[in-house]
Amino acid sequence: AQKITQTQPGMFVQEKEAVTLDCTYDTSDPSYGLFWYKQPSSGEMIFLIYQGSYDQQNATEGRYSLNFQKARKSANLVISASQLGDSAMYFCAMREVFYNTDKLIFGTGTRLQVFP
Amino acid sequence: EADIYQTPRYLVIGTGKKITLECSQTMGHDKMYWYQQDPGMELHLIHYSYGVNSTEKGDLSSESTVSRIRTEHFPLTLESARPSHTSQYLCASSPHEGRRTDTQYFGPGTRLTVL
Repeated sequence: AQKITQTQPGMFVQEKEAVTLDCTYDTSDPSYGLFWYKQPSSGEMIFLIYQGSYDQQNATEGRYSLNFQKARKSANLVISASQLGDSAMYFCAMREVFYNTDKLIFGTGTRLQVFP
Repeated sequence: EADIYQTPRYLVIGTGKKITLECSQTMGHDKMYWYQQDPGMELHLIHYSYGVNSTEKGDLSSESTVSRIRTEHFPLTLESARPSHTSQYLCASSPHEGRRTDTQYFGPGTRLTVL
C-alpha cells in the first residue's frame, strides 16, 4: 500500500524567507503522482502543485516549487519569499490508482506559521 | 479555478437527527469524493463515485450514505447523527480522464458538530 510521511508537525519561518516542508512517500507503483495542498484555518483545501513520477524537471508554480528526489522517494515543497498569508496547514498527497480505486492518500500535514 | 460548493458550511445538531450534506460541482467532472477530517489531522476517504448511479465506500468506515443521481450533485446523508460523527467533511471532484495528473478540487467543507 502507498504511504505518505510528513515528519514536521509544525514549522516557523520569518516573512520573506524561504521554507522547505518535507514529504516522503512509499510506493511500488512505477507511475504515480504527488500533490501538495494548502489548508487555511477556514478549512478548504487549495491545490498548489503537482509532480509526476516521470517528469524530468521539478515542478514550479509561482513561489512554490517541488524538490523531487525520486531515488530518495521525497517530494519536498519549497515556498520562497514567505508571506503572512502562507500560514496554514500543508498536506502532501499521492494518487493511488488500482483497478476501480482512484483516490488520494494524504500525509498528516505540517502547520506552517509565518511571522513578521 | 474549481467550482465546487458545499452547504451548509457549519452545522450544529442534536443526537439522533437525520442530516444531509450537500455537494455540487459545475465542471462536469465524473469523479466525486467525500473525505472526513478531524481537526489538525489527515483526510480519510469515506465515499467516492465515478459517475451517475456509481458509489463506493472508501477506506474509512462510515455510517453515512451517498447517492449520485446527477453528475453535478453528490449528497452525503447521516440517518441518525451521533457525537462521534463530529468532524469536517470535504467534498472533491476530478475529471475522469484516467491520468495520474488528474487533480482533485475541493469544496470549502462542512464542519459538523453533533451534541
